[in-house]
Amino acid sequence: AQSVTQPDIHITVSEGASLELRCNYSYGATPYLFWYVQSPGQGLQLLLKYFSGDTLVQGIKGFEAEFKRSQSSFNLRKPSVHWSDAAEYFCAVGSYSGGGADGLTFGKGTHLIIQP
Amino acid sequence: SQTIHQWPATLVQPVGSPLSLECTVEGTSNPNLYWYRQAAGRGLQLLFYSVGIGQISSEVPQNLSASRPQDRQFILSSKKLLLSDSGFYLCAWGDSGTPSNYGYTFGSGTRLTVV
Repeated sequence: AQSVTQPDIHITVSEGASLELRCNYSYGATPYLFWYVQSPGQGLQLLLKYFSGDTLVQGIKGFEAEFKRSQSSFNLRKPSVHWSDAAEYFCAVGSYSGGGADGLTFGKGTHLIIQP
Repeated sequence: SQTIHQWPATLVQPVGSPLSLECTVEGTSNPNLYWYRQAAGRGLQLLFYSVGIGQISSEVPQNLSASRPQDRQFILSSKKLLLSDSGFYLCAWGDSGTPSNYGYTFGSGTRLTVV
């Protein structure tokens, strides 16, 4: 069975500092990997996804993520955070087999706090 | 473009009362549809998914049920709510036409509080 681990429940970063959110997955085949962001009381917005090709993926809002198969990781990074980046971040893994019908498996999320 | 609508945004219901949450998708046909529940500190849990009208798969046995009466309509129901049904419910549709399009778009969610 597939699983996702986000080891950091909370992370506090100063505005303007760099950010890295960790994500480790367990999956038997080549995974499809996603990062979503959720503002309080809102749905989830897709930041970026990886399914093949270049292991460094660029997303919206200045985020990027790197797929490392040897480490089963898909860490999210941003060179300089803004106060508006404060939110909950979710890593997810999915499978395209069967037309992707099985849904995504999510990590428990990392709550990002931005200090002024 | 594709959009997903979910309502109501918030709901407060007494224990033992029925529940009906509705989700509709526009701008696509034959989508895969999903209901997730988000409880505090527990991430997102997949409850049901559907690949077509009348086709429902349940991931977690519980007090809830789902139905898909039309191609772009997905309904989450309960006959009698429990306190443990409180949470944030999210509907999503999945684009699985090609691997490059594979992904999920989420609605804005329903905050359900059972009192």
